[in-house]
Amino acid sequence: GAGVSQTPSNKVTEKGKYVELRCDPISGHTALYWYRQSLGQGPEFLIYFQGTGAADDSGLPNDRFFAVRPEGSVSTLKIQRTERGDSAVYLCASSSIQGSEQYFGPGTRLTVT
Amino acid sequence: AQSVAQPEDQVNVAEGNPLTVKCTYSVSGNPYLFWYVQYPNRGLQFLLKYITGDNLVKGSYGFEAEFNKSQTSFHLKKPSALVSDSALYFCAVRGGGSSNTGKLIFGQGTTLQVKP
Repeated sequence: GAGVSQTPSNKVTEKGKYVELRCDPISGHTALYWYRQSLGQGPEFLIYFQGTGAADDSGLPNDRFFAVRPEGSVSTLKIQRTERGDSAVYLCASSSIQGSEQYFGPGTRLTVT
Repeated sequence: AQSVAQPEDQVNVAEGNPLTVKCTYSVSGNPYLFWYVQYPNRGLQFLLKYITGDNLVKGSYGFEAEFNKSQTSFHLKKPSALVSDSALYFCAVRGGGSSNTGKLIFGQGTTLQVKP
């Protein structure tokens, strides 16, 4: 079946602009996670959704970052007033309520110039 | 606090030889442990997990991992390496218990280079 998909695959934006990154989880997966991976590092947790609600947003670095999942499926990560330090690969993952392993999308590479 | 350490930035092995990629962890409660592999310009692929039960876990592509509670380790192994195994490997942990949200804590990654 279809895996996790993320769009766009690449995004280049200017410092100070607003960006939205989209994630389509595996159909039927109720848990959705966002991670950020900087060059040479392991992924770092940002936020977790169970259904429509953000159950754990402890990884969001500051209030410029926000994510939604209004219908319990697709999620959008929103970054306001982007900074060069936001440049990274943003990964989305989903898991079924019964399983514990997370399945990752290919990521969105964000470059802030 | 939960943490994962992968002490080797890179592991080099000849094709056909056994390989080991090391991982140690720190977590409160019983750990849930995972290995993922990342190929260039690709997303993370799940390899295997340990939740409970047999300490030796078998996963995809002939990989296995051994959970050692006393040493807090979860090393990834394969009896005979292939050139196509060359990739970046990540160990990850989540804490057990009903309050845990399932977020994964990843190690820094280990690059595996298998030479013909």
